[in-house]
Amino acid sequence: KAGVTQTPRYLIKTRGQQVTLSCSPISGHRSVSWYQQTPGQGLQFLFEYFSETQRNKGNFPGRFSGRQFSNSRSEMNVSTLELGDSALYLCASSLGRLAGVIYEQYFGPGTRLTVT
Amino acid sequence: GIQVEQSPPDLILQEGANSTLRCNFSDSVNNLQWFHQNPWGQLINLFYIPSGTKQNGRLSATTVATERYSLLYISSSQTTDSGVYFCAVERVNNNDMRFGAGTRLTVKP
Repeated sequence: KAGVTQTPRYLIKTRGQQVTLSCSPISGHRSVSWYQQTPGQGLQFLFEYFSETQRNKGNFPGRFSGRQFSNSRSEMNVSTLELGDSALYLCASSLGRLAGVIYEQYFGPGTRLTVT
Repeated sequence: GIQVEQSPPDLILQEGANSTLRCNFSDSVNNLQWFHQNPWGQLINLFYIPSGTKQNGRLSATTVATERYSLLYISSSQTTDSGVYFCAVERVNNNDMRFGAGTRLTVKP
C-alpha cells in the first residue's frame, strides 16, 4: 500500500508570495491533518479535514487555509508569506475517528518551505 | 489543551546500551503514538499505544493510561537509532494531535 505523499518536497518563496502544498493520503483514508514544524515552536497542528469538511483548526492566522477534495487529497495554502512561515509542513492521514476510537495517523515526508 | 512533556530532552548513549524515554500527559487520551523523526524530517511510526504494552524487535512501549504516562524502551541501541523521538496524544473531543518537544537521541559507535 502506498504511503502518504506530499508535493513539492522543497520550496523557496519570497515574502509576500503565496504557496500551495499538496498531500495525497493513503488509499481508503478520509482524514487528513496538517502540521507545521519549526525549531522554536516544535510540531503544531494546523487543521484537519475529513470527507471534505474542516473539523478543527489550530491557532494560526487566516493566511493559512486548506481544503480537501472528493478523492481525499488535500491542499494547504499560505498567502502573503512571512519569514516566520519557513518550516517543515507535514501531512498525516488516517481512517479518522469512530465510536470513540481514534485511528493511527501516518505521516508523509513533508514539504520544506523556505521564505526569503 | 493537553500538555505533553517528554524526558530527557537529550540522551547520548554508546552503541549497545539500553534506554528509556518517557512521555507524560496532562489529561486522559484516546490515542498515543510514538514516532522517530529521520534526518530528512519524516515521522516514522513506532507504536500506536493508547494503553498496554507492545514490542517490535528491539523497541517496546508501555502506556499506563490511568497514570498518564508512556515509556519507550530501546534495547541494544544502534547508531541508526539516532534521531528525535516524539510522543503525540489525542482526545476524542479535541480534533488535533498534540506533540511533546521530543527526545534527541545520539548513539555513538
